[in-house]
Amino acid sequence: AQSVTQLGSHVSVSEGALVLLRCNYSSSVPPYLFWYVQYPNQGLQLLLKYTSAATLVKGINGFEAEFKKSETSFHLTKPSAHMSDAAEYFCAVSDDGGYQKVTFGTGTKLQVIP
Amino acid sequence: NAGVTQTPKFRVLKTGQSMTLLCAQDMNHEYMYWYRQDPGMGLRLIHYSVGEGTTAKGEVPDGYNVSRLKKQNFLLGLESAAPSQTSVYFCASSLGTSGEQFFGPGTRLTVL
Repeated sequence: AQSVTQLGSHVSVSEGALVLLRCNYSSSVPPYLFWYVQYPNQGLQLLLKYTSAATLVKGINGFEAEFKKSETSFHLTKPSAHMSDAAEYFCAVSDDGGYQKVTFGTGTKLQVIP
Repeated sequence: NAGVTQTPKFRVLKTGQSMTLLCAQDMNHEYMYWYRQDPGMGLRLIHYSVGEGTTAKGEVPDGYNVSRLKKQNFLLGLESAAPSQTSVYFCASSLGTSGEQFFGPGTRLTVL
């Protein structure tokens, strides 16, 4: 069975500061891992995904995430926060059980303080 | 391309009423999903479909039914709405090999 844990339901950072959103997963097989972003009153959109090609994954809007198998983690980072980064972020895992079922974390709301 | 569209965007129901939410995608995706999003609980899978004419239960299927008569459409039905079904409902689709899901804009449903 697969699961995802996101540490911190709310994270606040100052504009220009480092963004770090934490995600730990469990999976019985090598996983596919994703980060999605949800802006207010919108659906989710993909930020980046890990599919075993490289442990450091670069996504849109300057975000990146590093897959660490030994720590079962897939934390999302961005060197310098922008006001437009304020949104809710979801980590997700799929063990590709033949039907692309994805399990989402409970989400982390990012607040960017001017 | 419109991507994934959902109708309606908002709906208010009384307890016991029925309704159908429509999801349409124009990307020729095989897989389609219905989720509900509730505060602090993330997204929970209600039902999904791996192709036209097939459906399967997800994590929270009780009180909902679905149909996938056409590849591009995935309908979610509530036969007898309950206040516990007040939520934001998202439809998504995926090609099936990449794992990436494409989401619609959501339907905000309130059951009084």
